[in-house]
Amino acid sequence: NAGVTQTPKFQVLKTGQSMTLQCAQDMNHNSMYWYRQDPGMGLRLIYYSASEGTTDKGEVPNGYNVSRLNKREFSLRLESAAPSQTSVYFCASSEASTGAAYEQYFGPGTRLTVT
Amino acid sequence: DQQVKQNSPSLSVQEGRISILNCDYTNSMFDYFLWYKKYPAEGPTFLISISSIKDKNEDGRFTVFLNKSAKHLSLHIVPSQPGDSAVYFCAASEDNLFFGTGTRLTVIP
Repeated sequence: NAGVTQTPKFQVLKTGQSMTLQCAQDMNHNSMYWYRQDPGMGLRLIYYSASEGTTDKGEVPNGYNVSRLNKREFSLRLESAAPSQTSVYFCASSEASTGAAYEQYFGPGTRLTVT
Repeated sequence: DQQVKQNSPSLSVQEGRISILNCDYTNSMFDYFLWYKKYPAEGPTFLISISSIKDKNEDGRFTVFLNKSAKHLSLHIVPSQPGDSAVYFCAASEDNLFFGTGTRLTVIP
């Protein structure tokens, strides 16, 4: 039981390059999330998917797109990377998006540097 | 503006003593509060939660207290152990989770 997996673990991009961060969960969770963590800022929600087939913006969506490929997989795409997107990115999943079943399970993170 | 605040970036405690981590929030509509623990190079892991209709929840060495009138949340760890050394995030939910900036706890053997 792997939980939430993320690829890659590390990535260095040049400004303007694009890339997709992959996330998969094997817990049959309905909801999935993408966060970024910056020093002194805590975790901030980029996008989420409450259920398969739906996606919604979070607190900091600008510069990102997402795809909920199926119930297991939720990808985050940077179309034209900028230095301000240098961060650690975490994917998470939960059984439900509201109520008592709100515990989120996190992946190990992707450390992205944009030069 | 940050809706969930952890004003102490770090805390050091002797092994066996109590660790108290604090969290303040501004949004009275938050209905659920959670604490996550994070080790370096790993994702956060869920520790304990409390509903806004309760004022205390206990799970082994971990107790979370909620003071709604003060909009204040605290996590007590008793007794503290070296393995508890990590960054602790509080989070609050209103549709989505809002995280504090974290407190680095160091438990000194």
